[in-house]
Amino acid sequence: GESVGLHLPTLSVQEGDNSIINCAYSNSASDYFIWYKQESGKGPQFIIDIRSNMDKRQGQRVTVLLNKTVKHLSLQIAATQPGDSAVYFCAEPLRNYGQNFVFGPGTRLSVLP
Amino acid sequence: EPEVTQTPSHQVTQMGQEVILRCVPISNHLYFYWYRQILGQKVEFLVSFYNNEISEKSEIFDDQFSVERPDGSNFTLKIRSTKLEDSAMYFCASRIQNTGELFFGEGSRLTVL
Repeated sequence: GESVGLHLPTLSVQEGDNSIINCAYSNSASDYFIWYKQESGKGPQFIIDIRSNMDKRQGQRVTVLLNKTVKHLSLQIAATQPGDSAVYFCAEPLRNYGQNFVFGPGTRLSVLP
Repeated sequence: EPEVTQTPSHQVTQMGQEVILRCVPISNHLYFYWYRQILGQKVEFLVSFYNNEISEKSEIFDDQFSVERPDGSNFTLKIRSTKLEDSAMYFCASRIQNTGELFFGEGSRLTVL
């Protein structure tokens, strides 16, 4: 999809609560997805990835869920901390099975004290 | 921890001027990338580079753009004649193989006046 300009979707959560960030992707043939975190003034930082032959993958405090039927990804962050405040992007291959990525528009996560 | 480094962190230039953005990828990485992010928008793929040649480029990467790996450590992005719409944050990224995690630099902010 196209960018959403200056107004990113924002998710506000209380510190300690769980966060769920959603992403819709466009290409049903995409075989690999990545979640990135971008803190203010910094470059994107890898969080977790998942291949299309899986529907769930867990990392440290993060879980990615993949629903290929509806072309939907979600990132779950357990026990959200202030340091989790950032913009989160999902990324899928630029072309079918490609090695370069197109990023989603991003969701801003704000952690409230 | 090894990291991708970029210089300058911020460059201001006049429209029509040439700009070179520099990157030092992680030393044992073989695949190199440039992405850009217009303020408040999503990260966009520009170009990928492997074995001293461009492996893929996006529609954004027109004849005004070029990349070079002039020595064993640097990877540069040149914009021949900058336009106002080239104002963005430019991120360099690298990875050891053509799958898996992309490591991003902190970015170079380009402001075209």
